[in-house]
Amino acid sequence: GAVVSQHPSWVICKSGTSVKIECRSLDFQATTMFWYRQFPKQSLMLMATSNEGSKATYEQGVEKDKFLINHASLTLSTLTVTSAHPEDSSFYICSARSPGQPYNSPLHFGNGTRLTVT
Amino acid sequence: GENVEQHPSTLSVQEGDSAVIKCTYSDSASNYFPWYKQELGKRPQLIIDIRSNVGEKKDQRIAVTLNKTAKHFSLHITETQPEDSAVYFCAASSGGSYIPTFGRGTSLIVHP
Repeated sequence: GAVVSQHPSWVICKSGTSVKIECRSLDFQATTMFWYRQFPKQSLMLMATSNEGSKATYEQGVEKDKFLINHASLTLSTLTVTSAHPEDSSFYICSARSPGQPYNSPLHFGNGTRLTVT
Repeated sequence: GENVEQHPSTLSVQEGDSAVIKCTYSDSASNYFPWYKQELGKRPQLIIDIRSNVGEKKDQRIAVTLNKTAKHFSLHITETQPEDSAVYFCAASSGGSYIPTFGRGTSLIVHP
């Protein structure tokens, strides 16, 4: 149980275009999802917390107008990278907790999206 | 906020040897410490976790120890195998901030 699916697995786009990444909880409802960014050989950096039915909470230094997050349903959160530039190239991963689980429970991660901006 | 330091950044061992990865944390209120394994290009997956009311936990070849006084916890892998090669992340979280803070990761390489 507690499967998180993320699409696409990889995407190549041209500079200036926008890219949407989807994160779905397949067998549970997730009121909160987390979006991470990971550079090569580096740690998972939290970008924002996605809250169903309300605005996302962004971490310091993350541009909310550039990384648009929508959590319109209990099973879907989307991250849109707007006006992408080569420096946005990275590995983006979403995660969620099983419903009803407290903070001291593990996260379930999506399979990640490799974004390459040319 | 919480700060998690992880060492070493790279660890190379021979098959059959033991591997130890250490993490320290700064927030004394942290009381949940998971470890994730991430193979190249794949999602991180939980391999073991420990809560602050326990000093040690073991699952077959994997064990985690926690020293609350010193604010450090360690991952121990015995009888390493090539398939253990991956990046391992430690994390810490507390009731005050339910989002875990991750260490920088350790790239474990097990040579056959």
